[in-house]
Amino acid sequence: QVQLVESGGGVVQPGGSLRLSCAASGFTFSSYGMHWVRQAPGKGLEWVAFIRYDGSNKYYADSVKGRFTISRDNSKNTLYLQMNSLRAEDTAVYYCAKGLGDGRGYWGQGTLVTVSS
Amino acid sequence: DIQMTQSPSSLSASVGDRVTITCRASQGISNSLAWYQQKPGKAPKLLLYAASRLESGVPSRFSGSGSGTDYTLTISSLQPEDFATYYCQQYYSTPGVTFGPGTKVDIK
Repeated sequence: QVQLVESGGGVVQPGGSLRLSCAASGFTFSSYGMHWVRQAPGKGLEWVAFIRYDGSNKYYADSVKGRFTISRDNSKNTLYLQMNSLRAEDTAVYYCAKGLGDGRGYWGQGTLVTVSS
Repeated sequence: DIQMTQSPSSLSASVGDRVTITCRASQGISNSLAWYQQKPGKAPKLLLYAASRLESGVPSRFSGSGSGTDYTLTISSLQPEDFATYYCQQYYSTPGVTFGPGTKVDIK
């Protein structure tokens, strides 16, 4: 069955960096575009970034453009999100997800990122 | 960008009640709409896609309808495990999908 397991979250100071990972299994990872979505504490869902199945194209929400970089390693079945210049408003649970673009969304359990001094 | 709204933002209901949640898109999305259920501390779970297609394993008390810009999620007889927050999501305009703000269903 499909499994998505995020890791790499933690507490970081404003202006700091963090890299999230999402380990995928149970499906042919290299055939699917992948998303990152975040959810601030007590708030709704916000799409963050998307990468095509082969990494050829990447798209970002305006709120993270220029600060976050999505990437993937299909040989390792792993999705990444490099987050730089972090701000307090980036505090959230970050989910990786497949299938959002065709309505068949499947989500990992999420990893919490807290930006605080 | 396509904006999504939901109403109500919250509702209180009893077990056995019929519950309806509405989602509206800022432009027509041709039934490219999914509904998710999220419980506290958990990831969203897919309930319906293509506005009305039930995901495998989801109870038949959940149903969806709509067209154009307006869509509804109906729970025909609310069960204790249905108390959660529900989100709609459009995938007509991709890859930057957008979500509604959510509807919290709690116990009356």
